[in-house]
Amino acid sequence: KAGVTQTPRYLIKTRGQQVTLSCSPISGHRSVSWYQQTPGQGLQFLFEYFSETQRNKGNFPGRFSGRQFSNSRSEMNVSTLELGDSALYLCASSYGLAGGPGDEQFFGPGTRLTVL
Amino acid sequence: QQQVKQSPQSLIVQKGGISIINCAYENTAFDYFPWYQQFPGKGPALLIAIRPDVSEKKEGRFTISFNKSAKQFSLHIMDSQPGDSATYFCAAILKIYNFNKFYFGSGTKLNVKP
Repeated sequence: KAGVTQTPRYLIKTRGQQVTLSCSPISGHRSVSWYQQTPGQGLQFLFEYFSETQRNKGNFPGRFSGRQFSNSRSEMNVSTLELGDSALYLCASSYGLAGGPGDEQFFGPGTRLTVL
Repeated sequence: QQQVKQSPQSLIVQKGGISIINCAYENTAFDYFPWYQQFPGKGPALLIAIRPDVSEKKEGRFTISFNKSAKQFSLHIMDSQPGDSATYFCAAILKIYNFNKFYFGSGTKLNVKP
């Protein structure tokens, strides 16, 4: 069974640009969650999509948005990039809502975003 | 306010030794406590998890000890191996109506010396 895939793996952008990251969950998984990981703030939850609906959202500004398609693939968009957006962006998928016992989240390798 | 506090930030252990990582939480409504292992260049992977009504859970060399009254839980890695060198995150999960909210610890970088 293929794992969670994220594209691209590395990305360099400049301030003010926008970026779209993509995540393909494990086949059959209906939930996709996005996380931001930085050395200073650690792992921070961005949002969770389940069956194309956003179910949960973290404390990030509106510049961060996402969506989920009918095949469960998900995209995350960050507009008007800031230097502080440099981070590893992780996507995780699960069959049911993430976090429930038995609904293990499987993480992808992440997209390393650098904002110059 | 940090809901889950993890210590130490880094840990060096000799091969064959015991690695111990601690986490403390505030909210007694948390109902699930997973530990994740992350290798460089990889995403975190679920290692082991425990419910608050259980005091200990063991899977191979990995054990979670849970102290509900002290609101603390810890990960013990017995017979630590160089291949265990990774960053470990604890988490606490709060069930809110129709979704689960994750609170992660800040991570512990474990280095097992050969």
